[in-house]
Amino acid sequence: GAGVSQSPSNKVTEKGKDVELRCDPISGHTALYWYRQRLGQGLEFLIYFQGNSAPDKSGLPSDRFSAERTGESVSTLTIQRTQQEDSAVYLCASSPWDSQPLHFGNGTRLTVT
Amino acid sequence: RKEVEQDPGPFNVPEGATVAFNCTYSNSASQSFFWYRQDCRKEPKLLMSVYSSGNEDGRFTAQLNRASQYISLLIRDSKLSDSATYLCVVNRDMRFGAGTRLTVKP
Repeated sequence: GAGVSQSPSNKVTEKGKDVELRCDPISGHTALYWYRQRLGQGLEFLIYFQGNSAPDKSGLPSDRFSAERTGESVSTLTIQRTQQEDSAVYLCASSPWDSQPLHFGNGTRLTVT
Repeated sequence: RKEVEQDPGPFNVPEGATVAFNCTYSNSASQSFFWYRQDCRKEPKLLMSVYSSGNEDGRFTAQLNRASQYISLLIRDSKLSDSATYLCVVNRDMRFGAGTRLTVKP
């Protein structure tokens, strides 16, 4: 079956512009996670959605970052007024429910110039 | 203290060596533990789950020590293809450790 799909795969944007990243999880997966990975660094947790529960937003680094998820399907991560330090790979992962192994998408490589 | 901590390495070992990594966690109520492997510029992929009784998959053995709050990964008979960064994940919130970089040399 189809895996986790992320788009775009690459995004170059100018500082100050807004960007929207998309994640299509595996069908039926109730849990969805966003991570940020800067070059040479580990995975930094951003936000977690579990079914219809309130999302865990504790990892969002600033109010410029927000994310939404429609039911148990597509999620979008929005970064407003991008800064150069936002340059990173943004990874999305899903799992059938919480505490189960994650399935990752290929990531979106964001470059802010 | 970070929720999940790993020795970043790098670990440089010859082919055929045995190497072990540890990952400590701070939440004593943690229930779910996993090891992932990440190759350069790729997404992480599940290597193995870690069960309370310990588990083995070929050359890989994972163990959990609840008393000392750490999990371990043992790789026997290292292959060149084992070169990667190994990430541990703890708990339902899926927080990752920073990763341990392994290079296996001929």
